[in-house]
Amino acid sequence: DAKTTQPNSMESNEEEPVHLPCNHSTISGTDYIHWYRQLPSQGPEYVIHGLTSNVNNRMASLAIAEDRKSSTLILHRATLRDAAVYYCILTITQGGSEKLVFGKGTKLTVNP
Amino acid sequence: EAGVAQSPRYKIIEKRQSVAFWCNPISGHATLYWYQQILGQGPKLLIQFQNNGVVDDSQLPKDRFSAERLKGVDSTLKIQPAKLEDSAVYLCASSLTGQGWQSTDTQYFGPGTRLTVL
Repeated sequence: DAKTTQPNSMESNEEEPVHLPCNHSTISGTDYIHWYRQLPSQGPEYVIHGLTSNVNNRMASLAIAEDRKSSTLILHRATLRDAAVYYCILTITQGGSEKLVFGKGTKLTVNP
Repeated sequence: EAGVAQSPRYKIIEKRQSVAFWCNPISGHATLYWYQQILGQGPKLLIQFQNNGVVDDSQLPKDRFSAERLKGVDSTLKIQPAKLEDSAVYLCASSLTGQGWQSTDTQYFGPGTRLTVL
């Protein structure tokens, strides 16, 4: 019951920017957009989140469309260590609590 | 700051046997989560604790899975008896807030336990 749509896989070259798209056409006004990534054989790790405005942190940037129905995670200079599965997630409210619901994500391959 | 610790990292059992996984969250984190991740899929939430109380266990197969969080710190997840379809990575995560999941709360994940049921 994930509420986001992402491409199954993407490829990039090292030191080039990467734009990972996510569609979330059913987003509600209070839903935050979260991105997590999962490196091979590790648990997921937080990347970034946002509500309406674009966001930047040391790992990435998040560009949110004006209608909030899509967003893009931007890695400014991909490195081999950025090869991972990237999950775009909206929180859902169920049973009185909010939680993350992961989809299958986008597998990013970074070529040297 | 120490991260979320899990043990064991790997476990192989035969079907119908029982198994237990242990998780130690980040110190001071009130909320603890157990996820199941089947190969090729994203993690699926099994159970969420706030301190030592259950917030959400709607996805936990209660006929065979159980979990507890004594004293609001460490947690154990048990499967008894195991089935072939339980083969997966079991991830533990924790977050700081004492108010249950907040829209901006960050979850910190452990490395997971890879379970193989033969």
